[in-house]
Amino acid sequence: SQQGEEDPQALSIQEGENATMNCSYKTSINNLQWYRQNSGRGLVHLILIRSNEREKHSGRLRVTLDTSKKSSSLLITASRAADTASYFCATDRGSRLTFGEGTQLTVNP
Amino acid sequence: GAGVSQTPSNKVTEKGKYVELRCDPISGHTALYWYRQSLGQGPEFLIYFQGTGAADDSGLPNDRFFAVRPEGSVSTLKIQRTERGDSAVYLCASSSDSGFGYTFGSGTRLTVV
Repeated sequence: SQQGEEDPQALSIQEGENATMNCSYKTSINNLQWYRQNSGRGLVHLILIRSNEREKHSGRLRVTLDTSKKSSSLLITASRAADTASYFCATDRGSRLTFGEGTQLTVNP
Repeated sequence: GAGVSQTPSNKVTEKGKYVELRCDPISGHTALYWYRQSLGQGPEFLIYFQGTGAADDSGLPNDRFFAVRPEGSVSTLKIQRTERGDSAVYLCASSSDSGFGYTFGSGTRLTVV
């Protein structure tokens, strides 16, 4: 069963705006990862945040993790049309990833 | 290889037929995973290999599904007596160690008609 739940399910913004996606989960985790998927095919690993970390940055990406609330957020700053994709959070408990349903992000030029 | 390779990229088969899906992980990656993704859904875990052995096969939906990794590198997912409900994208991923992010292949889109 899916553990993560992304919010919102769909997000449409203009190029240059920031995009924020949220993820909630139910059980304890080793780490939480965010992935991107174009056209329903291969997933691309974006960023991993460990359970003892609260915030992490990678380029235009910023991820936060609140283990007390069992939630995470992914912020994409200064979005580009090329950022249009589905974004998934996935929790890692050691032997598998459990994915949420994803957020479909559309960045309009 | 440079990435995870999955073949074929697309497979159309008739209901009741047997199919094999192949995954060639990144060289040296000991962990290999199979996931299934239906349209509009997130990937669902099927099976995890550590080396040659299936460390966790609890995600396989029923006994029509079976996977092997005989030499600890290439893996084959086998589906017997395919049903229309098996139609999905089957994703393979490998990692060198848990906790460092997984590398996914482009998937095999299976369509059962």
